[in-house]
Amino acid sequence: AQSVTQPDIHITVSEGASLELRCNYSYGATPYLFWYVQSPGQGLQLLLKYFSGDTLVQGIKGFEAEFKRSQSSFNLRKPSVHWSDAAEYFCAVGALIGNNRKLIWGLGTSLAVNP
Amino acid sequence: KAGVTQTPRYLIKTRGQQVTLSCSPISGHRSVSWYQQTPGQGLQFLFEYFSETQRNKGNFPGRFSGRQFSNSRSEMNVSTLELGDSALYLCASSLAGQGVGNTIYFGEGSWLTVV
Repeated sequence: AQSVTQPDIHITVSEGASLELRCNYSYGATPYLFWYVQSPGQGLQLLLKYFSGDTLVQGIKGFEAEFKRSQSSFNLRKPSVHWSDAAEYFCAVGALIGNNRKLIWGLGTSLAVNP
Repeated sequence: KAGVTQTPRYLIKTRGQQVTLSCSPISGHRSVSWYQQTPGQGLQFLFEYFSETQRNKGNFPGRFSGRQFSNSRSEMNVSTLELGDSALYLCASSLAGQGVGNTIYFGEGSWLTVV
């Protein structure tokens, strides 16, 4: 069955440290991949997406993600975290299941940033 | 260009009542999706409308319903509210629908508390 796994429920990093949030998916075809961020009390904002082409994609706020087909992963990275990056991060896969287009969501990773 | 607008932002209802939430998509977007978000449950897909037709539906009871108008604005209704319906309800719009190859954009959500 199609699924998205974000193995880390909660991560704490120090400000200025590097960050990697993991996302693994299960989907038989070429996936369309998304990372969204949700600040407390807000809706979700698109950070970046991968549809095709270069497997390293750049997003907003200094984030990047790399699609690795062999590992079925789409990990999100940032070289230096800022306190304002504290938020919930969601990975999603766009899939065609039968005749239905669906977005399959991970459960999210909550990021805390220590000063 | 204005983003996705949801109203009301916050509301408190009593068990057994009904509630209607409204969503105005980004101009030109014909698809509107609704999600329920609760702590620990992640994003649960409710339904998607495209050009006034329900295109996809999640696994929610019939108390949850929606519709889309000719101007693409959408409403969702929850009848006979239960305590467990307390959640953040998110609306998202896209040009052609969620899933394969399309990006969806979220509103800030409507916080529903059922007492």
